[in-house]
Amino acid sequence: LAKTTQPISMDSYEGQEVNITCSHNNIATNDYITWYQQFPSQGPRFIIQGYKTKVTNEVASLFIPADRKSSTLSLPRVSLSDTAVYYCLVGENSGGYQKVTFGTGTKLQVIP
Amino acid sequence: DGGITQSPKYLFRKEGQNVTLSCEQNLNHDAMYWYRQDPGQGLRLIYYSQIVNDFQKGDIAEGYSVSREKKESFPLTVTSAQKNPTAFYLCASSIDLRVGNEQYFGPGTRLTVT
Repeated sequence: LAKTTQPISMDSYEGQEVNITCSHNNIATNDYITWYQQFPSQGPRFIIQGYKTKVTNEVASLFIPADRKSSTLSLPRVSLSDTAVYYCLVGENSGGYQKVTFGTGTKLQVIP
Repeated sequence: DGGITQSPKYLFRKEGQNVTLSCEQNLNHDAMYWYRQDPGQGLRLIYYSQIVNDFQKGDIAEGYSVSREKKESFPLTVTSAQKNPTAFYLCASSIDLRVGNEQYFGPGTRLTVT
């Protein structure tokens, strides 16, 4: 699996847009980019997934440049309840027998 | 409601004892996973399973064992050989093992060994 690099932590005020960038310089042609959110003492929760350009759902947007060596998770108008750890995963969707690896993630603290 | 259940939520054991953590899913998923999470750290994969009676070691399998006798169940045994077993344990499942498929997580079991 391609290695990912994310900032360890970020702070943001309520109501602001938050962008968390993940670097994956060794991403392979068939790799997808997936983001999860984890609250303290809970299991992670799927947020969004994409392959290229832009993906948007009711929770977030995912921006992926043409070279796909990085991706940016965008959370619009964050609230205190968005305080969590956000994980970026990169892996091949080929049907192969693979394991999945979560990194240390980015701890987002939303400030009132 | 479909989902993943883990029991118990908190578990306390004495050093040297084996302990088994339960994980059950009714999502009809083929793949199941066990992760370990230490304070302030990310998730580390212990074991994963694609189908019944088949499982593979993850990154930190030493001191752990699993079984997959039924599709819906994937219990994890923490043996006395695990040198530092105190941690938060998370079970997950997905349609299959492809990374593109969403993993659904249980509520976790916090194990404390003294």
